[in-house]
Amino acid sequence: AQTVTQSQPEMSVQEAETVTLSCTYDTSESNYYLFWYKQPPSRQMILVIRQEAYKQQNATENRFSVNFQKAAKSFSLKISDSQLGDTAMYFCAFGLRTDKLIFGTGTRLQVFP
Amino acid sequence: GAVVSQHPSWVICKSGTSVKIECRSLDFQATTMFWYRQFPKQSLMLMATSNEGSKATYEQGVEKDKFLINHASLTLSTLTVTSAHPEDSSFYICSARGDLSYGYTFGSGTRLTVV
Repeated sequence: AQTVTQSQPEMSVQEAETVTLSCTYDTSESNYYLFWYKQPPSRQMILVIRQEAYKQQNATENRFSVNFQKAAKSFSLKISDSQLGDTAMYFCAFGLRTDKLIFGTGTRLQVFP
Repeated sequence: GAVVSQHPSWVICKSGTSVKIECRSLDFQATTMFWYRQFPKQSLMLMATSNEGSKATYEQGVEKDKFLINHASLTLSTLTVTSAHPEDSSFYICSARGDLSYGYTFGSGTRLTVV
């Protein structure tokens, strides 16, 4: 069975600074997808970034990038130039091609002015 | 991009009544839909997975007769909370998946309060 672990319940960062959120997972599969979702106070789940396990290159979306270490089963999210609007819960998730998403417990990020 | 519409966004009902929540994929065909429940400050807990035209697959511990899921078309899935009780009060979120290029798209959630 797959598991996803987020060891940081809460993180804080000052505006314009960089912060990294950690995520580790466990699986015996070789082909899978990893996701970071953001859930702001509105509670809408918003896809931040997606990584396909067969791709060695780390995914990047504007200020968001990941450090995907397949052998170490690690998938951290780096947010550069943090903005107040980045304040939210961040969930790491694991998915197989034809299966459900498995979520971590989340990291609450607070961006301070 | 892929859009999933979920209604209602909030509902209050009396104990013992039933409530239906709808989840629609607006611009893609959702072959699979997922229903989650989320308690305050917690992660999403998967309740069931439904494939169009098939019976839903429920996660362990989820009462099939209380949480009825119907996925009759490629664009619509419904969750009916039957004989609701205050302990069913929660935030319910649907997610839809079509072609994997869309990934998993989430509805905006429904806050259910049973009084």
